[in-house]
Amino acid sequence: DTAVSQTPKYLVTQMGNDKSIKCEQNLGHDTMYWYKQDSKKFLKIMFSYNNKELIINETVPNRFSPKSPDKAHLNLHINSLELGDSAVYFCASSHSGGGGDTQYFGPGTRLTVL
Amino acid sequence: SQKIEQNSEALNIQEGKTATLTCNYTNYSPAYLQWYRQDPGRGPVFLLLIRENEKEKRKERLKVTFDTTLKQSLFHITASQPADSATYLCALGKGGGADGLTFGKGTHLIIQP
Repeated sequence: DTAVSQTPKYLVTQMGNDKSIKCEQNLGHDTMYWYKQDSKKFLKIMFSYNNKELIINETVPNRFSPKSPDKAHLNLHINSLELGDSAVYFCASSHSGGGGDTQYFGPGTRLTVL
Repeated sequence: SQKIEQNSEALNIQEGKTATLTCNYTNYSPAYLQWYRQDPGRGPVFLLLIRENEKEKRKERLKVTFDTTLKQSLFHITASQPADSATYLCALGKGGGADGLTFGKGTHLIIQP
């Protein structure tokens, strides 16, 4: 069983389109995250949710909107896609989100904006 | 601004030797530090956690040290094997709720047979 899963694994789209990436975890964790890994391999936190409530929202354009329908799911919707949005997006989850809990990462979604 | 530096983009080590990876940070007071392994096309996988009040942690062939005065962590893999070849990421956390990690760029480790 996959602990943290993401769909799709690859996403190729045109500039200006709107797309969503889905994430699900079956670990029973309370906290979920979205990270972006750019072409230089830097992994940066975008959002974190604890019990469906937004906790962290780093300086991310408001074209990016996370949605958490329940504790096990955290989806990422991106409006008006730009070339600079091309990256690998990772979803992660942890037990409670504090004190150094292990974060479990999904396999990533490679987004390519043409 | 916060900065995390990991030593060199690629580190070549002969099989059987000890690999030592460095993580330095500035403008940051972490409550803990974690090391992750990332293989190509995959998400990071947790390896070790060390807290600010700890000096050293071990797990099998892995050892991590944490010096908050030097603002540095060292990550050691003893008796290295080709299967240890991967990118190793250092990550810092502040310790608050839903703590998003701040990652370094990673060190690409290559263990040569």
